[in-house]
Amino acid sequence: DTEVTQTPKHLVMGMTNKKSLKCEQHMGHRAMYWYKQKAKKPPELMFVYSYEKLSINESVPSRFSPECPNSSLLNLHLHALQPEDSALYLCASSPRQGIGDTEAFFGQGTRLTVV
Amino acid sequence: KQEVTQIPAALSVPEGENLVLNCSFTDSAIYNLQWFRQDPGKGLTSLLLIQSSQREQTSGRLNASLDKSSGRSTLYIAASQPGDSATYLCAVPLSYNTDKLIFGTGTRLQVFP
Repeated sequence: DTEVTQTPKHLVMGMTNKKSLKCEQHMGHRAMYWYKQKAKKPPELMFVYSYEKLSINESVPSRFSPECPNSSLLNLHLHALQPEDSALYLCASSPRQGIGDTEAFFGQGTRLTVV
Repeated sequence: KQEVTQIPAALSVPEGENLVLNCSFTDSAIYNLQWFRQDPGKGLTSLLLIQSSQREQTSGRLNASLDKSSGRSTLYIAASQPGDSATYLCAVPLSYNTDKLIFGTGTRLQVFP
C-alpha cells in the first residue's frame, strides 16, 4: 500500500466556519507534511511532522492548526479562513525526516473553497 | 537560496513523439531529485527519485538523468501517449537536514492523438 488518503476531496466553507482536513497513510512513514498549492503554481510547504512532533512551521497563519494524533494520521484544522486561502491542500509522507534519500508520497488533495 | 526552474513551461506534441523535459537548479549540492506528475486538480504522483550519486533512473517509458555539476536534470518520455498529458514537476530537498521540497515551476504537457 503506497497510498496517502485525504478527505474530503472537496470542501466549501464560510469565513466563520470551522472545518478539518484529514490525511492518513499506512506505509509506516514517520514524517508527514501539509502543502498548499494555488492554481498554476508549485506546492508550498506549510508544516512538517516528524515522529508525531511538529518540526517545521513555515510561518503559517494561526487560522491553520495542524494536529498529528498518531503516526498514521495528520489533520489540518481550519478556522476563520479568508477567500485567499482557497487552494488545493496536499498531504504527503516520507519514511523519515532529515535523510537525503527519502522519497515523498502525496495524496490526491483537498480542493478548498472559502466563500 | 535554491531555485528550481523548468523549461518549457508548456509543450504540445503529437502522439508517438519522444520528448525531453528540463529541470534546472541553482545550488548543485542536492541529495536527490524527484520527478512528479500532476493531473489537473489532483495530487502529485511520484514518477522517479534519482539519488545524487546516480546519473540515471528508469521506469517504463520514463528516463530521468541528473548532472549535478551543471545543475540540470532531464525527464525523457519515450513514445508519448495522450494519457501522458499532465503537469510534470521536479523537486529537490532544501538540505540534508530537512525534507522541505523545493519545487520547480512545472511543465504542462499535452499529447494529442
